[in-house]
Amino acid sequence: RKEVEQDPGPFNVPEGATVAFNCTYSNSASQSFFWYRQDCRKEPKLLMSVYSSGNEDGRFTAQLNRASQYISLLIRDSKLSDSATYLCAVNDEGRDDKIIFGKGTRLHILP
Amino acid sequence: GAVVSQHPSWVICKSGTSVKIECRSLDFQATTMFWYRQFPKQSLMLMATSNEGSKATYEQGVEKDKFLINHASLTLSTLTVTSAHPEDSSFYICSTGRDFATDTQYFGPGTRLTVL
Repeated sequence: RKEVEQDPGPFNVPEGATVAFNCTYSNSASQSFFWYRQDCRKEPKLLMSVYSSGNEDGRFTAQLNRASQYISLLIRDSKLSDSATYLCAVNDEGRDDKIIFGKGTRLHILP
Repeated sequence: GAVVSQHPSWVICKSGTSVKIECRSLDFQATTMFWYRQFPKQSLMLMATSNEGSKATYEQGVEKDKFLINHASLTLSTLTVTSAHPEDSSFYICSTGRDFATDTQYFGPGTRLTVL
């Protein structure tokens, strides 16, 4: 089983729609979780950290389910500029602070 | 957040040559830096952990003699791809270790290597 798994997509959704991504992780001891956004040929940029209590930043909401070992990202009122690849990442504490990335989910927002 | 630069941003070289990529943390003292490689439509794969003043730790399957890492200071880590081959063509990205103040890593802009 891969350490971090995501549906690669692509997700093609109309502008204004709500879209949700899930990501599962295999290491139950993982402590820190993140969603990154990566545009084509660019480095990943941190979108949100994911906390046990869940967190919201504008149109973006992230949730963590430790029991089922998955994290989610919800994007409301999607914009054309949201088109990107969204990478789920997990920090395996005790492993030199390594961050393990999923393959990413491609999102295309359609006008 | 901190600023991380990489140089060069892109490079084209002939097969068999060596290429050095620099990663600089401009305003964050990075005792640890990470080197990733990303092939088209693939995720970032961690290659190695670079430790300031000591040897790098390589992930399974990554040849340490081919990908030489030097982390001589808190602001500079270098990755040298020795005897590069076309299959080494990829997007190489470095990052700092975690900034505990912000609970995040800082990524460089990446270096696109094309080996002919």
